[in-house]
Amino acid sequence: GEDVEQSLFLSVREGDSSVINCTYTDSSSTYLYWYKQEPGAGLQLLTYIFSNMDMKQDQRLTVLLNKKDKHLSLRIADTQTGDSAIYFCAVYSGYALNFGKGTSLLVTP
Amino acid sequence: DAGVIQSPRHEVTEMGQEVTLRCKPISGHNSLFWYRQTMMRGLELLIYFNNNVPIDDSGMPEDRFSAKMPNASFSTLKIQPSEPRDSAVYFCASSPPGTSGRREQFFGPGTRLTVL
Repeated sequence: GEDVEQSLFLSVREGDSSVINCTYTDSSSTYLYWYKQEPGAGLQLLTYIFSNMDMKQDQRLTVLLNKKDKHLSLRIADTQTGDSAIYFCAVYSGYALNFGKGTSLLVTP
Repeated sequence: DAGVIQSPRHEVTEMGQEVTLRCKPISGHNSLFWYRQTMMRGLELLIYFNNNVPIDDSGMPEDRFSAKMPNASFSTLKIQPSEPRDSAVYFCASSPPGTSGRREQFFGPGTRLTVL
């Protein structure tokens, strides 16, 4: 948890873009991950990026990786009310997948 | 594939009682993880098994917690005696073999434990 940091809350209007940021300390992870947790459910892998890449686009999702600054971001274009959830950044340190505390995204109509 | 299966989904018990949480990982996965999620502390790794062997249990809060993996398709997390501060959502996750590659962890739906 403390090796991966995220802001706790983000509120956006429907149709706007959301940007969720994450910083981490261990740069040895081959892949970096974003998980999504909907209310009452477990975590599901949303997207990931290979550490040698600096950007990955997947439909409405864009992941940006700045390895120098150890900064990872997730951009959701045209945010919908169904995107309201908690988003977790996760980075491997050895065998352990370290999660941030999660960013609660609230999408208002 | 049914995904990671956890039972029960909800458990309400009284302080001092024994609680057993169960997990069935995805078939073919050889790593299993138990996590605890609370508002205050977020997601904490409790214990990690690889090929049914506990590799790291440093996240287990205290001796009241124990975990077993008697075979590749079943694991338990036991709390005895339970205390109100154990109230949390407990997740089990599994991941497939391989030290390289994506090493994605697949999460179960969680068990919401309430200790009164």
